[in-house]
Amino acid sequence: AQKVTQAQTEISVVEKEDVTLDCVYETRDTTYYLFWYKQPPSGELVFLIRRNSFDEQNEISGRYSWNFQKSTSSFNFTITASQVVDSAVYFCALSEASSNTGKLIFGQGTTLQVKP
Amino acid sequence: DADVTQTPRNRITKTGKRIMLECSQTKGHDRMYWYRQDPGLGLRLIYYSFDVKDINKGEISDGYSVSRQAQAKFSLSLESAIPNQTALYFCATSDPRQGDYGYTFGSGTRLTVV
Repeated sequence: AQKVTQAQTEISVVEKEDVTLDCVYETRDTTYYLFWYKQPPSGELVFLIRRNSFDEQNEISGRYSWNFQKSTSSFNFTITASQVVDSAVYFCALSEASSNTGKLIFGQGTTLQVKP
Repeated sequence: DADVTQTPRNRITKTGKRIMLECSQTKGHDRMYWYRQDPGLGLRLIYYSFDVKDINKGEISDGYSVSRQAQAKFSLSLESAIPNQTALYFCATSDPRQGDYGYTFGSGTRLTVV
């Protein structure tokens, strides 16, 4: 069965610290897509990244980086030199190409608090 | 204008009232979804639709109904609202046939049932 687990419910760091948000997924599909979304206090969902299952190359975008490892079914997200504006709830999600619904399966979310 | 528009943004309603949440999109996507977000549970699928004549239940459809009035419009109704339906509701669209496996979300509707 498909599942996404974000074991860290809440993380608190001091500004400028690096922080890694963990995401572990389960799927039987060979073709799937992994996503990260940010939800700031205002509530909207902000798309951060999409990665397909055939592309294990890590990605860096500014202070954000993602480590995709199929061997451990993980898609972790690291924020370098965190800032107060990074405070938000972060969701990892999975979509299976073979799914009849095409739905996104979300993890429980990780609340990140960055203190000044 | 936003690609996916949800109305209202915030709503407080009383137990037992009927309420409709509306979603409209300009993406031209066939697939539309309603999700519910509760703290600690992530987002869960309520209903989804692939076409005007296609309506499907998600994992938590009890107490909800939907209407796909047109390709661009997908409404969610609570026939008789109850307090545990207090949540943040999101509408989303996608269309893999367009070669894009991404999803576009609305800004969310925060519903409080008192």
